[in-house]
Amino acid sequence: DAGVTQSPTHLIKTRGQQVTLRCSPKSGHDTVSWYQQALGQGPQFIFQYYEEEERQRGNFPDRFSGHQFPNYSSELNVNALLLGDSALYLCASSSHPPAGNTGELFFGEGSRLTVL
Amino acid sequence: EDQVTQSPEALRLQEGESSSLNCSYTVSGLRGLFWYRQDPGKGPEFLFTLYSAGEEKEKERLKATLTKKESFLHITAPKPEDSATYLCAVLDYGQNFVFGPGTRLSVLP
Repeated sequence: DAGVTQSPTHLIKTRGQQVTLRCSPKSGHDTVSWYQQALGQGPQFIFQYYEEEERQRGNFPDRFSGHQFPNYSSELNVNALLLGDSALYLCASSSHPPAGNTGELFFGEGSRLTVL
Repeated sequence: EDQVTQSPEALRLQEGESSSLNCSYTVSGLRGLFWYRQDPGKGPEFLFTLYSAGEEKEKERLKATLTKKESFLHITAPKPEDSATYLCAVLDYGQNFVFGPGTRLSVLP
């Protein structure tokens, strides 16, 4: 049973560029959430997708956008990259409601983004 | 706005030296409190869910407890493989899931 898979694992971009990160949820899960984790900090909630719609959003600017596909996989897009966007981007999957019946989120290993 | 704080920020223990990590929270209606373990460069791994004050959960050398304002993660006779960052998170009835900053635990042999 494949868990949550994310790609790419590492990438380097320059300021002003755009990036797309991808996530495939754990088999049987239909809800995907994205988190940003800066070095030494806890994950910060970006947004959550269910039934191909953004259901909730954290305190992130419109430069951060996403998409969910019919097979439940998801993309995170960040436009006009800033140095401060450098972080580990984590995808978490669950069954709806957001944390299922146990409150358990399954995380991927993340995509490490470096903005130069 | 939900808030989660964790203390200490970092903790170094000798193998076998038991201790506790603290998670304090303010939330508008707690649906659940969660503990996760995160190894360097990896995503968080679920450990426990606690739903109500007085509840306790155990897994190997770890025991999590919950009061109305805080949760403790007790580590009994830790081993070096317990070294990781331990994250606490809360879920409220508005479906907001908020993580604390974590406690970095190092267990020395």
